[in-house]
Amino acid sequence: EAGVAQSPRYKIIEKRQSVAFWCNPISGHATLYWYQQILGQGPKLLIQFQNNGVVDDSQLPKDRFSAERLKGVDSTLKIQPAKLEDSAVYLCASSFAGHYGYTFGSGTRLTVV
Amino acid sequence: GESVGLHLPTLSVQEGDNSIINCAYSNSASDYFIWYKQESGKGPQFIIDIRSNMDKRQGQRVTVLLNKTVKHLSLQIAATQPGDSAVYFCAETPSSNTGKLIFGQGTTLQVKP
Repeated sequence: EAGVAQSPRYKIIEKRQSVAFWCNPISGHATLYWYQQILGQGPKLLIQFQNNGVVDDSQLPKDRFSAERLKGVDSTLKIQPAKLEDSAVYLCASSFAGHYGYTFGSGTRLTVV
Repeated sequence: GESVGLHLPTLSVQEGDNSIINCAYSNSASDYFIWYKQESGKGPQFIIDIRSNMDKRQGQRVTVLLNKTVKHLSLQIAATQPGDSAVYFCAETPSSNTGKLIFGQGTTLQVKP
């Protein structure tokens, strides 16, 4: 079974620029999550989708972050404009339902300079 | 806000010894707990889980203990191997159906040959 695919693996941008990350979940997984993991910390949930609807985006900085899952399959997370404190690994995860089959991707490491 | 914390940032053990990694959680309403292993450049990988109606669960070389009275979780790894070297996180969730995970800070396990 293929895992959760994320791209790019690494990205370096200057502050105030924009960036987008892509995630393709495991086939058949209805739930998709984006987490932010700052160096030395545990992941923090940014947004959770159930199919193409948002379940929880309470910790998403909506003034600069946006995410979509238009067809209920793959998803993109965008940051515009980026700040230095956005430097982190952005992890995508998916699950069949609840915690069944909960799987993380390898993440995208973002460095904002 | 809610948080799950680990007692020690780093644990160093000799190969073949047993390892114990501890975690304190703050939300007494949490219903489901998971231990994850994260290797460098990878996403968190599921190790073992436990529900709040249990106090112990065993897997292959791993055991999770839950003490709800003092809100404490521990992960025991038997006969620790070099391949066990990684960062370990505990995570909690209010329900196994919600999907949202709240992670602690992580403990780095170093296995000395």
